[in-house]
Amino acid sequence: LAKTTQPISMDSYEGQEVNITCSHNNIATNDYITWYQQFPSQGPRFIIQGYKTKVTNEVASLFIPADRKSSTLSLPRVSLSDTAVYYCLVGGDNQGGKLIFGQGTELSVKP
Amino acid sequence: GAGVSQSPSNKVTEKGKDVELRCDPISGHTALYWYRQSLGQGLEFLIYFQGNSAPDKSGLPSDRFSAERTGGSVSTLTIQRTQQEDSAVYLCASSPKTGNYGYTFGSGTRLTVV
Repeated sequence: LAKTTQPISMDSYEGQEVNITCSHNNIATNDYITWYQQFPSQGPRFIIQGYKTKVTNEVASLFIPADRKSSTLSLPRVSLSDTAVYYCLVGGDNQGGKLIFGQGTELSVKP
Repeated sequence: GAGVSQSPSNKVTEKGKDVELRCDPISGHTALYWYRQSLGQGLEFLIYFQGNSAPDKSGLPSDRFSAERTGGSVSTLTIQRTQQEDSAVYLCASSPKTGNYGYTFGSGTRLTVV
């Protein structure tokens, strides 16, 4: 199982771009990288998923270098409502359903 | 349904009692997962189902924990003889199939053992 490492916490201000990096040195060939967002008292919510290079949706962008040993979630122009915990999850079909979340990054956006 | 539904949303129970937590996944999702989240902590994997089968039960913390899924739909997580360390939020998620395909989580059941 690919182990992930993220910063425990990050601070930002409204309107800034935030980049959260996840390290996953032992990622397997068939593994995808997925990011989730969790607000207090709620379950995590899917944000974005990618395999290589760059993926962009209406919420975020995901940058994955060629060696795929890390990935960076980019949140453009954050607002106070982006204050949450962000989890990076790495896995594919070979683990079946046993996918292990890391400790997550607690992002605090200040006015 | 439109999302993953969990019930009850909150449960307070006395130490030593048994509790049942219910998860109703998105219709058609064959994979179902249970996680536990203690206060201020990350998500601890408990068990997953592919259809009605649970191929890996190694995440269950002790033999007081069990889970089942019937009809490829609703799942129940049962905790027998609850202990104070069982207090946590129990989260259920479902996905179209097992693997890293993007989970949809429920809002969880907050269990408090007093």
